[in-house]
Amino acid sequence: KQEVTQIPAALSVPEGENLVLNCSFTDSAIYNLQWFRQDPGKGLTSLLLIQSSQREQTSGRLNASLDKSSGRSTLYIAASQPGDSATYLCAVVTGNTGKLIFGQGTTLQVKP
Amino acid sequence: NAGVTQTPKFQVLKTGQSMTLQCAQDMNHEYMSWYRQDPGMGLRLIHYSVGAGITDQGEVPNGYNVSRSTTEDFPLRLLSAAPSQTSVYFCASKRTGSGGAGKNIQYFGAGTRLSVL
Repeated sequence: KQEVTQIPAALSVPEGENLVLNCSFTDSAIYNLQWFRQDPGKGLTSLLLIQSSQREQTSGRLNASLDKSSGRSTLYIAASQPGDSATYLCAVVTGNTGKLIFGQGTTLQVKP
Repeated sequence: NAGVTQTPKFQVLKTGQSMTLQCAQDMNHEYMSWYRQDPGMGLRLIHYSVGAGITDQGEVPNGYNVSRSTTEDFPLRLLSAAPSQTSVYFCASKRTGSGGAGKNIQYFGAGTRLSVL
């Protein structure tokens, strides 16, 4: 059974720091991996999608990497800002069914 | 472009009542799904649909019914609400057809916060 783990559960950093969020999964036979952002009381916003054949994806200050063989993905946030404060969720799809299996999330606080 | 729209945003039910959570998307996505989010449990899949007329069960389907008569709509029905169904419910959709950018990116609605007393 696929399990997704995110470490750390919470992170607090000063503004301007570069940071890395970690995601690990137990079954390397994934179809794709998606990183989401969730603000308190809100829905999920897709940040980056990495197909199983890709190694990384970039969007602005965000870079996500994927290492299927080790069952790991990282989300790199450059020059963090207070507006980046949110919960970041990692989710994998195993097979072509579209079913997302989520980690518990990392709650990020960026202090001004 | 509205994306994925869920109604209502908030709902309070009494045990045993029934209701339908509405979900509509205007992106012509083939795939739609329902998740519930609970503290300590994360997001779990309830039901999903790969196209109009086709639905299937997810991880936690008991107590919920779905149907997909159109591409745009995917309502979730609670047949007899129980306190264990108190949760935040999210609907999601994605394009699965070939061609163009954005295939397989899942888009979520803003959620319905349900309390069952």
